[in-house]
Parts: sequence; structure tokens; C-alpha cells
Amino acid sequence: ETGVTQTPRHLVMGMTNKKSLKCEQHLGHNAMYWYKQSAKKPLELMFVYNFKEQTENNSVPSRFSPECPNSSHLFLHLHTLQPEDSALYLCASSPPSTGLFDSPLHFGNGTRLTVT
Amino acid sequence: AQKVTQAQTEISVVEKEDVTLDCVYETRDTTYYLFWYKQPPSGELVFLIRRNSFDEQNEISGRYSWNFQKSTSSFNFTITASQVVDSAVYFCALSEDSGGYQKVTFGTGTKLQVIP
Repeated sequence: ETGVTQTPRHLVMGMTNKKSLKCEQHLGHNAMYWYKQSAKKPLELMFVYNFKEQTENNSVPSRFSPECPNSSHLFLHLHTLQPEDSALYLCASSPPSTGLFDSPLHFGNGTRLTVT
Repeated sequence: AQKVTQAQTEISVVEKEDVTLDCVYETRDTTYYLFWYKQPPSGELVFLIRRNSFDEQNEISGRYSWNFQKSTSSFNFTITASQVVDSAVYFCALSEDSGGYQKVTFGTGTKLQVIP
């Protein structure tokens, strides 16, 4: 039990489909993150929400649309994806920074996405 | 811009051997945080250790030890008497405080295989 739950674990979708990834945390954290993990590349930060407000969007294509209805839930809506979007999508959360001693990110198990 | 380099892509060792995973970082910040995460085949990244930039004291936790050297911008991780359960991908990461949440830069990871 990681504290951060992602569903589904695996997803196969065609380029014309619309699907959503879900992330849920009950750790009382204020910040939630979406990361993309592709083979042989560093984890790429996609979006950050802090107290439900989007604070980071790292030039992510508009075919990825995040939604954060509250501090415990985070969604990633997908539409008209490309095969190169196939990757492991990881959700993470963190509590408020306290200065010198930052808490680590808490990650979910990820959603393995395959775009056909 | 921050950068984390893990030059070792894959390492294989025989069980009970010691292994060191290298990490070199670049940052212009004077206050920053360094982390190591472990990613087993199940997918989620598991936090191992955190260091802030003002604390160069090395740390030992069981079979794990970390060597932080600011002079060489390195934060290396050693596993003593490796075990099969240590097989995973290990990520070094650098974080800066962005006011309530973290901006984390990850390395590309080192895949460790411990052979029985």
C-alpha cells in the first residue's frame, strides 16, 4: 500500500480514443504531480497542482488535460494521443515544504499506457 | 537549469558483492535537496534517502550508505552485500523548493541486477 493509488494499472487505447487516468491520495498532501516515464529517458514532470491550483505545465501538448477537483484527486484526460505517448504515467504527492527538510515525493504504481 | 547525471545505465553484480551507484548533479541554487529513489518492477518509486545541501555528513542505513560530496557535486549510493531483492532501477534526484511544492529533476536511472 503506497498511499497513492492510480487506476487503471494498464491501458491500451487507439489514437482516436478518449480516456482518463485517475490518481488518489489520502495522505493529507497539498501538492500532486503527473510524471511521464519513457524508456531510457529521465522522468519528465508534466503538471503540478498545489492546493488544487495548477502551478506547473511543462510545455505538455494539449492532448493531455489535467484536472484536480480537490487536493486528494488528480486526473489526466487523454485524447487523440500519438504512439510516442506510450509510457508509464506516474502520479505523486507531497506535503507542504517546510524549509530545509523537504519531504520526499510519494508515488503511485503508475499506469502503463500503450497507444496503438 | 538543474541536471542530474547517472552515467551507469545498467549494472550487474553477483549476490553479496558491493556495488556503488554514481550520481552527479548541477545546480546554481545554494539550497537544494538530493534524493535517491528505488523503482522495483511493480512500478512505484520508493523513497530511500534525502539530503539537504547544508548537510554533507555521510549516512549509513543497514546495507545502504550514501556519500555526499559538495566539492565534486556527487551523491553516490553504495549497497553492501547486495541481495536479489535489491534488483531495481535506482534514481537520483535533485529538488528545489518552489514555494509549497517541489520541482524535482531526476536522473535517467541505473538498473541494478543482482544475480543469485
